Amino acid sequence: AQSVAQPEDQVNVAEGNPLTVKCTYSVSGNPYLFWYVQYPNRGLQFLLKYITGDNLVKGSYGFEAEFNKSQTSFHLKKPSALVSDSALYFCAVRDISQAGTALIFGKGTTLSVSS
Amino acid sequence: GAGVSQTPSNKVTEKGKYVELRCDPISGHTALYWYRQSLGQGPEFLIYFQGTGAADDSGLPNDRFFAVRPEGSVSTLKIQRTERGDSAVYLCASSLMSGTNTGELFFGEGSRLTVL
Repeated sequence: AQSVAQPEDQVNVAEGNPLTVKCTYSVSGNPYLFWYVQYPNRGLQFLLKYITGDNLVKGSYGFEAEFNKSQTSFHLKKPSALVSDSALYFCAVRDISQAGTALIFGKGTTLSVSS
Repeated sequence: GAGVSQTPSNKVTEKGKYVELRCDPISGHTALYWYRQSLGQGPEFLIYFQGTGAADDSGLPNDRFFAVRPEGSVSTLKIQRTERGDSAVYLCASSLMSGTNTGELFFGEGSRLTVL
């Protein structure tokens, strides 16, 4: 069975500093990996995905994520955080060998960026 | 509209009542998903439709929960004999379905269900 772990409930960074939100996954085959962001009282918004190819994936709002197969990780990063990045972030995985299944989400990490 | 539309946005009901939640996906999206999100948790998968049929309903918690998508577009999630533990935000998402299913999901803003 596939699963996702986000080990940090909350990440706090100062504006202008780099940020990292951690994600590790478990699948029986190869993964499709996704990051979503959720602002208060809003639906989930897609940020970026890794399907194949370059391990460093760039997405919306200056975010990027690095796929590391040996560590089964897909950490979300941004070189310089903004106060407006404060939100709830979810990592999600789908097993390539089970393409007809839904995305499985982690429990989420709250990012708080202070000015 | 251009996005996934869910109605009602809020529903308050009494324990034991029947509830229907509606999802109107993005036009042309063949895959439709229902998730449930409780406070402080990530979205929990309930059921996934490919066209009119349920491709995977393994996430439905029990037989009080049922979903349909009769014409391959709008879907309705039905909850019978509601319990207080059913209180959550019910999220609907749709995606273009390719052979390898690499497409991202587009989410609606959810239906908040409160069972008193």
